[in-house]
Amino acid sequence: DIQVTQSPASLSASLGETVTIECRASEDIYSNLAWYQQKPGNSPQVLIYDANNLADGVPSRFSGSGSGTQYSLKINSLQSEDVASYFCQQYNNYPLTFGSGTKLEIK
Amino acid sequence: QVQLKEPGPGLVQPSQTLSLTCTVSGFSLTSYSVHWVRQHSGKNLEWMGRMWSDGDTSYNSAFTSRLSISRDTSKSQVFLKMNSLQTEDTGTYYCARNPKFHNNFDYWGQGVMVTVSS
Repeated sequence: DIQVTQSPASLSASLGETVTIECRASEDIYSNLAWYQQKPGNSPQVLIYDANNLADGVPSRFSGSGSGTQYSLKINSLQSEDVASYFCQQYNNYPLTFGSGTKLEIK
Repeated sequence: QVQLKEPGPGLVQPSQTLSLTCTVSGFSLTSYSVHWVRQHSGKNLEWMGRMWSDGDTSYNSAFTSRLSISRDTSKSQVFLKMNSLQTEDTGTYYCARNPKFHNNFDYWGQGVMVTVSS
C-alpha cells in the first residue's frame, strides 16, 4: 500500500496569512493526488485534484503543487471560513489512501 | 443536482453485521462509480471499496472477506455489508461518487455514524 505522510498535524495562523500543508507519498504517485477540506460536522469536500487542478467553485486562494512523491496545498490570504481539517488522498494505486489530516485554526 | 444519502442503523452490536444503503440522485450508477469511505473520530479516513459503473467491485484488503458491496441500479442504491463488527469499526461511514476521469471523490454523502457496542 502507498503510505501518505501529511504534515503538520495542526496549524495555527492569523487571518490574511499564507499557510502550506504538505504530503509525502511512499512512492511516486504521478500527480494522482487530491486535497479535501472538512469542516466540523460536515463531509469532506474536494479542493484540488490531479495535484494542481482547482475543483469547481473552490476559491482561487487555494492552490496545489508538487510531483513525484512530494505535494503541497497552499492557502493564501487565510479567511475565517478556512477553519477546517485538510486531507490529501492518493489515487495512483489501490487501495486508495489518505493522509492523516491537518487541523487548521485561526490565531 | 447530485446527492448521496446514507441513513443507517446507528448502533450495532459486536460480532453483528453492518448494513448500509447509499441512495443516489442526479446521476446514474451505470455511468459513475461509488465508493465507501469511513472515518474514525473525525480523523483518519479509510477507503473501503468501490462499486464500479459496470457492476464490478474493488475492496481494500484490510477488510479481507468481511466486506461486500452491491447495488440495485433500478433503485439507484449501493449497499455495504460488513460482518463480524468490532468496536474498532465504530466511525462515520460515507458513500462518495467517483468523477469520470479521476479516482478521487467529487460528491460525498452526509455520512452515517455507526457505533459498535453492546
